[in-house]
Amino acid sequence: GQQVMQIPQYQHVQEGEDFTTYCNSSTTLSNIQWYKQRPGGHPVFLIQLVKSGEVKKQKRLTFQFGEAKKNSSLHITATQTTDVGTYFCAGHRGSTLGRLYFGRGTQLTVWP
Amino acid sequence: GAGVSQSPSNKVTEKGKDVELRCDPISGHTALYWYRQSLGQGLEFLIYFQGNSAPDKSGLPSDRFSAERTGGSVSTLTIQRTQQEDSAVYLCASSSEAGGYEQYFGPGTRLTVT
Repeated sequence: GQQVMQIPQYQHVQEGEDFTTYCNSSTTLSNIQWYKQRPGGHPVFLIQLVKSGEVKKQKRLTFQFGEAKKNSSLHITATQTTDVGTYFCAGHRGSTLGRLYFGRGTQLTVWP
Repeated sequence: GAGVSQSPSNKVTEKGKDVELRCDPISGHTALYWYRQSLGQGLEFLIYFQGNSAPDKSGLPSDRFSAERTGGSVSTLTIQRTQQEDSAVYLCASSSEAGGYEQYFGPGTRLTVT
């Protein structure tokens, strides 16, 4: 079954609105990674969190890793058209060089 | 430095033919992954190689799919007797402990089975 759940599958926002995507795992993760895939492109690494309760920021993007290391979120403040794409979360279970379990992604559309 | 490269970038084949897709990972990366992505869909894990360990083949959808990694570097994904449902983008990624475990993806091979 699906190891890492990600919601919502689709999100349409007006430029300037905020956006959040959520990631939940059925098991504890050793880390959580986030990737962005632009339309027609390949996934590109954004960030990795490894500590329980960790919060990291990249400009308008805020990433959180839950206390139990089973959930994570990506929040974008004041979206821009350049934020369009699909955002994937992914995590390792156990060894950080083992298989990486990806969520199904959230496809973000931003209306100008 | 050079990133992950894949060839060919596009492949059109007739149903029933075999195809080979190639991945050149970043030099020194010990881990290599193959994924499949259908149009508008997520990443479907296929297979994972880590150093000299036995590969994790748990994601291969059928015995028509196989992959090998020679010399711990280049990898080839082979699909035998292709079917129309095999049409997708096949992505390769590599990672390393030194690189912080993040996966670097190649541009993918778009496979179309007619």
